[in-house]
Amino acid sequence: ELKVEQNPLFLSMQEGKNYTIYCNYSTTSDRLYWYRQDPGKSLESLFVLLSNGAVKQEGRLMASLDTKARLSTLHITAAVHDLSATYFCAVDMSADGLTFGKGTHLIIQP
Amino acid sequence: EPEVTQTPSHQVTQMGQEVILRCVPISNHLYFYWYRQILGQKVEFLVSFYNNEISEKSEIFDDQFSVERPDGSNFTLKIRSTKLEDSAMYFCASNQGVIGTFGSGTRLTVV
Repeated sequence: ELKVEQNPLFLSMQEGKNYTIYCNYSTTSDRLYWYRQDPGKSLESLFVLLSNGAVKQEGRLMASLDTKARLSTLHITAAVHDLSATYFCAVDMSADGLTFGKGTHLIIQP
Repeated sequence: EPEVTQTPSHQVTQMGQEVILRCVPISNHLYFYWYRQILGQKVEFLVSFYNNEISEKSEIFDDQFSVERPDGSNFTLKIRSTKLEDSAMYFCASNQGVIGTFGSGTRLTVV
């Protein structure tokens, strides 16, 4: 059974700081996704990582994938309040459903 | 940009009643999914659907759940006899290739 673990589950940080969210998964996977979810809203796709060493950046967010370590990271640079949300990683074993981590609830304070 | 549309956005139902949650996937997508998210918890996979049949389902998707694509555009999730613990946000998703698109969700409240 595929397990996806995120840490931390809760993170409160100040604007301007950097931080990293970690996502470990238990078995070999083809694809890893990062999603953002605002309270009461749907899941917004942020990144899809498809190969070992993949790195993608969008604004202040950067995601990377190490398939050998079964680890993905989501790095936040110079955080701003608008990035406050819950971030989920999800792993895709095949064309079928995603297995999600528990999510990281991120609060960025002025 | 194409969207996955879900209706209703919120449904309240009495325990034991049947509910049907509706989704209109993106028109050229071939893979369809239902997920649920209990309040404050992670998103859980329920079922995937391809070529007019279920391709995979999770342990959560027991006999009280069913899916169908009745008319080639809608994709529905039926819960036959709702329980209190079915209260959750239900998300539909579709994809064609790597990136899937999630709908805005239906909040189901069972009372």
